[in-house]
Amino acid sequence: DAKTTQPNSMESNEEEPVHLPCNHSTISGTDYIHWYRQLPSQGPEYVIHGLTSNVNNRMASLAIAEDRKSSTLILHRATLRDAAVYYCILRDKETSGSRLTFGEGTQLTVNP
Amino acid sequence: KAGVTQTPRYLIKTRGQQVTLSCSPISGHRSVSWYQQTPGQGLQFLFEYFSETQRNKGNFPGRFSGRQFSNSRSEMNVSTLELGDSALYLCASSSLGEAPYEQYFGPGTRLTVT
Repeated sequence: DAKTTQPNSMESNEEEPVHLPCNHSTISGTDYIHWYRQLPSQGPEYVIHGLTSNVNNRMASLAIAEDRKSSTLILHRATLRDAAVYYCILRDKETSGSRLTFGEGTQLTVNP
Repeated sequence: KAGVTQTPRYLIKTRGQQVTLSCSPISGHRSVSWYQQTPGQGLQFLFEYFSETQRNKGNFPGRFSGRQFSNSRSEMNVSTLELGDSALYLCASSSLGEAPYEQYFGPGTRLTVT
């Protein structure tokens, strides 16, 4: 799977929007962009995924650049509960199986 | 629906021993994957089982093995434990076993090797 690059850490204030960037310049046409997050002392949790178009769900929005070489996870109003490590993962839909390749992710701190 | 469960949650073993960890996926899920998480290496894929067959394998030594039962429950075994095997072992399940589905992770088993 192609590699992603994320900032090591970001900070936000409670109730403000958060934009978490991810660069994936070597993305292939069949790579889906997945976001997972891991809260302290828990297993990772699925957040959202997309292929080409922007996506929204109850947790977040995913904005994908037109050339697909970068994407941004948007938390519309951060809460203290959103403090976690956020992972941006590429997953080739042509590859069989469930394997996810995690990078180091972005540690998000939310200040009250 | 109950989530992914892992047992035990905590385990302390001595170097040289072996250990078996258990994972019960969400009802109806046929794919189970295992991951190892350490502060130094992060989250690394161990292997995946789908319909009782190993479908993918990560880059771990043969001391790490697994299996899946007909009810989709899975176990992983580590033989001849080393200090470096101390880690959080996570299990994840999914329904279809094909991208781009989402995976559901359990809380993990914290293994300490002394």
